[in-house]
Amino acid sequence: RKEVEQDPGPFNVPEGATVAFNCTYSNSASQSFFWYRQDCRKEPKLLMSVYSSGNEDGRFTAQLNRASQYISLLIRDSKLSDSATYLCASGNTPLVFGKGTRLSVIA
Amino acid sequence: DTAVSQTPKYLVTQMGNDKSIKCEQNLGHDTMYWYKQDSKKFLKIMFSYNNKELIINETVPNRFSPKSPDKAHLNLHINSLELGDSAVYFCASSHARDRANYGYTFGSGTRLTVV
Repeated sequence: RKEVEQDPGPFNVPEGATVAFNCTYSNSASQSFFWYRQDCRKEPKLLMSVYSSGNEDGRFTAQLNRASQYISLLIRDSKLSDSATYLCASGNTPLVFGKGTRLSVIA
Repeated sequence: DTAVSQTPKYLVTQMGNDKSIKCEQNLGHDTMYWYKQDSKKFLKIMFSYNNKELIINETVPNRFSPKSPDKAHLNLHINSLELGDSAVYFCASSHARDRANYGYTFGSGTRLTVV
């Protein structure tokens, strides 16, 4: 079983839509959880940290469910500029990354 | 100012050659990493150094040798390059104290093509 698993997508959604990604992790001892965004031919960039209490940053909301070992990312009011690959990461040291979920927001 | 910088950005070389990639961070972080992202976009840890000490060495061929002259620099030397080494190599850094909140900062990557 892979340590961090994500639906690869692609998710093709119209502008303004709400889209949600889930990610499961196998290491129950993981202490840190993140969502990263990676644009084509660029490095991953931190989008947000994920806490048990949830984390919201504008249109983005991340949740952690330790009992079921999954993290989620919700994007509201999708913009064209949200098109990218979203990587979830969990672990302690090192972080283990999922393969990413590709999102395309269409006009 | 670039926080994590890698050189070169692109590297095209023949099989059997030896090459190095350099990484420097100016964030004052104490831990640095090398990740490999293959053609399937899977980002996999290779090595990690904390204050110049090797702390993680995943199952990587011993043709790959990391070196950390100080905690701001982590270089990667690859001997006898093979076609399967073609990938994007990302350097990253973090601070142990802030890791849970701020994650890792990545360099822009080195795209290695072995021909």
